[in-house]
Amino acid sequence: KNQVEQSPQSLIILEGKNCTLQCNYTVSPFSNLRWYKQDTGRGPVSLTIMTFSENTKSNGRYTATLDADTKQSSLHITASQLSDSASYICVVTGGGNKLTFGTGTQLKVEL
Amino acid sequence: GAGVSQSPSNKVTEKGKDVELRCDPISGHTALYWYRQRLGQGLEFLIYFQGNSAPDKSGLPSDRFSAERTGESVSTLTIQRTQQEDSAVYLCASTLLPKNSPLHFGNGTRLTVT
Repeated sequence: KNQVEQSPQSLIILEGKNCTLQCNYTVSPFSNLRWYKQDTGRGPVSLTIMTFSENTKSNGRYTATLDADTKQSSLHITASQLSDSASYICVVTGGGNKLTFGTGTQLKVEL
Repeated sequence: GAGVSQSPSNKVTEKGKDVELRCDPISGHTALYWYRQRLGQGLEFLIYFQGNSAPDKSGLPSDRFSAERTGESVSTLTIQRTQQEDSAVYLCASTLLPKNSPLHFGNGTRLTVT
């Protein structure tokens, strides 16, 4: 069964600190992996998309990594800001353009 | 418009009533998805449109749920005889080419069935 598991489920960090969110998947065949940010009451917004051949991709203070061999991805947030408080969702595209969503990591950045 | 638009943003309905949710995707986006998100949970796939046809409707939870898309543009999700467990946020997303392009989400319709 295609699954996407994210950890931790929730995380609280102080403003200015870095953090890393994890995503493990069992989706096969694999097409791409995406990270989304979902603010409360809003739809998810794309942060990064990585295909099989890409190991790392950055978008400002967000850096995603992908290890297609171990089927793991991480999202690193540098110098966190209060506005980074949101749910971060890992999404894997498999065969037939089928998307499998993780349940997300709820990040809270505090002063 | 600049993004995916969904209406209404909020809908409260009585159990047993029918509701219709609307999604206006980004112009030119051929692929359109509907998802359901219950409070505090992840996104649950409902249906995928490529153009006006739905090659994958495997996520529709029951025959009370249906969706259509016309003119490769607007899509409507209809829920008949609503039940309390249908209460959720219904999100629509569109993309130009589904494979390696980002999904652009609307802000959803929050449905409450009383």
